[in-house]
Amino acid sequence: GAGVSQTPSNKVTEKGKYVELRCDPISGHTALYWYRQSLGQGPEFLIYFQGTGAADDSGLPNDRFFAVRPEGSVSTLKIQRTERGDSAVYLCASSKDPTGKLFFGEGSRLTVL
Amino acid sequence: DQQVKQNSPSLSVQEGRISILNCDYTNSMFDYFLWYKKYPAEGPTFLISISSIKDKNEDGRFTVFLNKSAKHLSLHIVPSQPGDSAVYFCAATSHNAGNMLTFGGGTRLMVKP
Repeated sequence: GAGVSQTPSNKVTEKGKYVELRCDPISGHTALYWYRQSLGQGPEFLIYFQGTGAADDSGLPNDRFFAVRPEGSVSTLKIQRTERGDSAVYLCASSKDPTGKLFFGEGSRLTVL
Repeated sequence: DQQVKQNSPSLSVQEGRISILNCDYTNSMFDYFLWYKKYPAEGPTFLISISSIKDKNEDGRFTVFLNKSAKHLSLHIVPSQPGDSAVYFCAATSHNAGNMLTFGGGTRLMVKP
């Protein structure tokens, strides 16, 4: 498809488990962002990639969260030792460049039991 | 400490009337503001934006007004249509932060036929 693709769309896991969420940005978009939206709140910035490198990871809540984008296209958000408070919709977005229009995916809903 | 606030969690208007959604911000470094619209199970989609050098930007039925001295912006939709029913997010950034957006909590708009 032409849009930002995120998998899985839904993930239910148990407290303490490891989770990976995948984002496939729009082809040619060099900038990729991860946001997290908790229930009843707006999206919160987590991390931004320009190409392969994390240009800004100031939004990652703690060291259980890590993200990679090894070839400058697909990105994976990794969460270790999940906690119930990690339950949220994780949104990925991409843009042609850091100031271009931002396109969001449909999100991956994570539920930690 | 919320830097972008949308104080009305919901708004209901009659089809054909004007919808006014409000947003307040506290960070004086913000100089670019955006509105996103979100339908259930979809990612946010860009609606309209405004730079701090302007006080108004119009696109069809949508107009955004910016009052820098009051640190307040509003989105006007006229005439409102049932298809406008969605959650609207206000977002802000600064010129050196690009697409690292700070979002408000959202306002759910319901347009009744």
